[in-house]
Amino acid sequence: GAVVSQHPSRVICKSGTSVKIECRSLDFQATTMFWYRQFPKQSLMLMATSNEGSKATYEQGVEKDKFLINHASLTLSTLTVTSAHPEDSSFYICSANILRTSGPYEQYFGPGTRLTVT
Amino acid sequence: GEDVEQSLFLSVREGDSSVINCTYTDSSSTYLYWYKQEPGAGLQLLTYIFSNMDMKQDQRLTVLLNKKDKHLSLRIADTQTGDSAIYFCAEIDSNYQLIWGAGTKLIIKP
Repeated sequence: GAVVSQHPSRVICKSGTSVKIECRSLDFQATTMFWYRQFPKQSLMLMATSNEGSKATYEQGVEKDKFLINHASLTLSTLTVTSAHPEDSSFYICSANILRTSGPYEQYFGPGTRLTVT
Repeated sequence: GEDVEQSLFLSVREGDSSVINCTYTDSSSTYLYWYKQEPGAGLQLLTYIFSNMDMKQDQRLTVLLNKKDKHLSLRIADTQTGDSAIYFCAEIDSNYQLIWGAGTKLIIKP
């Protein structure tokens, strides 16, 4: 249980185009989904937190008009990188937390999407 | 703000025990976590410990928590080549956001 999928796993796009990445919780409903960015050999940087049906909360320094997040349902969130530039090339990882009434707060992570902008 | 620190590399021989250390600053964290990331992959939740516990054991994994010193460790017994990965320590803040360490790359020598 607690599987999170991402699609696509890898994508190469040209500068100026937009790319959409999907994140799905496959066997549970997620109250909240998170989008992270990971640079090579570095830790994860939280980009934004999204709750189903409401606007995402972006971390300081993350451009909300560039990284559009849509949390359409309790099992699906999408990240669209608009007008992509080579510096947007990175590993994007989503995670989702499990609705629990008690016990530990757990985040489960997707396998990541490698974006390369040429 | 909150901070989590880990050493960047650990090298051990196959069959030995690996001990990965982590320090954190937020004493109000209720849970602390260890995640594993294999090359090119996402993160896998390995284990967690509740802040009122000192130790948690799960098969080859032992987590030790010293709350006074804000020190967390992950011991992997009988380290195997499949344990090669980056191990991230994380604490949870009052907004239910995970605060991450930089990750420790575990290198296994034959």
